[in-house]
Amino acid sequence: SQTIHQWPATLVQPVGSPLSLECTVEGTSNPNLYWYRQAAGRGLQLLFYSVGIGQISSEVPQNLSASRPQDRQFILSSKKLLLSDSGFYLCAWSSGRGPYGYTFGSGTRLTVV
Amino acid sequence: GQQVMQIPQYQHVQEGEDFTTYCNSSTTLSNIQWYKQRPGGHPVFLIQLVKSGEVKKQKRLTFQFGEAKKNSSLHITATQTTDVGTYFCAETSYDKVIFGPGTSLSVIP
Repeated sequence: SQTIHQWPATLVQPVGSPLSLECTVEGTSNPNLYWYRQAAGRGLQLLFYSVGIGQISSEVPQNLSASRPQDRQFILSSKKLLLSDSGFYLCAWSSGRGPYGYTFGSGTRLTVV
Repeated sequence: GQQVMQIPQYQHVQEGEDFTTYCNSSTTLSNIQWYKQRPGGHPVFLIQLVKSGEVKKQKRLTFQFGEAKKNSSLHITATQTTDVGTYFCAETSYDKVIFGPGTSLSVIP
């Protein structure tokens, strides 16, 4: 069966520090991968998605970047965090086929101080 | 781009009462997905509707897709405390899913 791993679960970082969040998927090949951000009590904002290695689509221009160095690995990065980067970051995958929806990781709660 | 709106934003119900959340779009949707997010948790896929007028049931949950494929609803019969959470509808557009703002449900025991 397919599983998605996301870490760390919580993170407190100072303003101006770098960020690297990692997401990996097991049990499937060539998944579509996604990064979402959710502010407290708010909806889900799509940040980046990828349909293949090295292919990244950015939905919202901001202080973040994403990379997909391997088929089942998706990384969210920042060179210098801002206070406004605080939020709940969720990685998700889908097969891109069939009515199966997205499967989300357990998320990373990031607080920038 | 396309956007889906949801109402209400919040709903407080007494345990045992019914609950409905509505999802509306100004444009025709190819399909609609529904997700549930428990407090502190991550969204979990519930269902996808594709056909005009489609109705699907999952135990006490009834999902409906409008005839014009511009709206959808999720109805919960006789709510329980386990139903607490935020319910999102989402539209698919090519390789991505765009989520509505969600309806947050509180159930008073």
